Amino acid sequence: RKEVEQDPGPFNVPEGATVAFNCTYSNSASQSFFWYRQDCRKEPKLLMSVYSSGNEDGRFTAQLNRASQYISLLIRDSKLSDSATYLCVVNEANTGTASKLTFGTGTRLQVTL
Amino acid sequence: NAGVTQTPKFQVLKTGQSMTLQCAQDMNHNSMYWYRQDPGMGLRLIYYSASEGTTDKGEVPNGYNVSRLNKREFSLRLESAAPSQTSVYFCASSERAGEFNEQFFGPGTRLTVL
Repeated sequence: RKEVEQDPGPFNVPEGATVAFNCTYSNSASQSFFWYRQDCRKEPKLLMSVYSSGNEDGRFTAQLNRASQYISLLIRDSKLSDSATYLCVVNEANTGTASKLTFGTGTRLQVTL
Repeated sequence: NAGVTQTPKFQVLKTGQSMTLQCAQDMNHNSMYWYRQDPGMGLRLIYYSASEGTTDKGEVPNGYNVSRLNKREFSLRLESAAPSQTSVYFCASSERAGEFNEQFFGPGTRLTVL
């Protein structure tokens, strides 16, 4: 079983739609969680961290369910510029060591007119 | 403030050739990382350096060596390139170890080994 699993998509949605991605992780000791965004042939960039209580940043909402070991990302009012691959990332770092991130393979989103 | 820079952007090697990928960051970060990204595999950690003067193996270190030259620079060396090392290589840095510590990525090096 992969450590971090995502549906590769693609998710094709019209502009203005709401879309949700899920991600599951296998290591129950994982400490922190992130969503990164990666545009075609570019580097990954942090979209948002995922906190235990859930958090929102504009049109983006992230949720964490530790009991079921999954993370979700909800995008409301999709824009053409949201088209990208969304990477689910899990941090298994311990205090005093470098952050060791495990990346999912990504979910591709295509927003259309 | 350039963030994380990588050179070269593209490289084609023949099997058995060697090369060094360069990475530098100007954010005064303590930790630096090398990843490779292959289709369907996600990013995989090759080596990392928690702080200047230390390096450790990641998930896929075989065939690679690294040098943390100073706080700013972290290089990745392929001593004898193989076709299996054809990939996109990303360097990243973070301020320190620990939770919620954002990693910043360079633009990547696209390497093809023939």
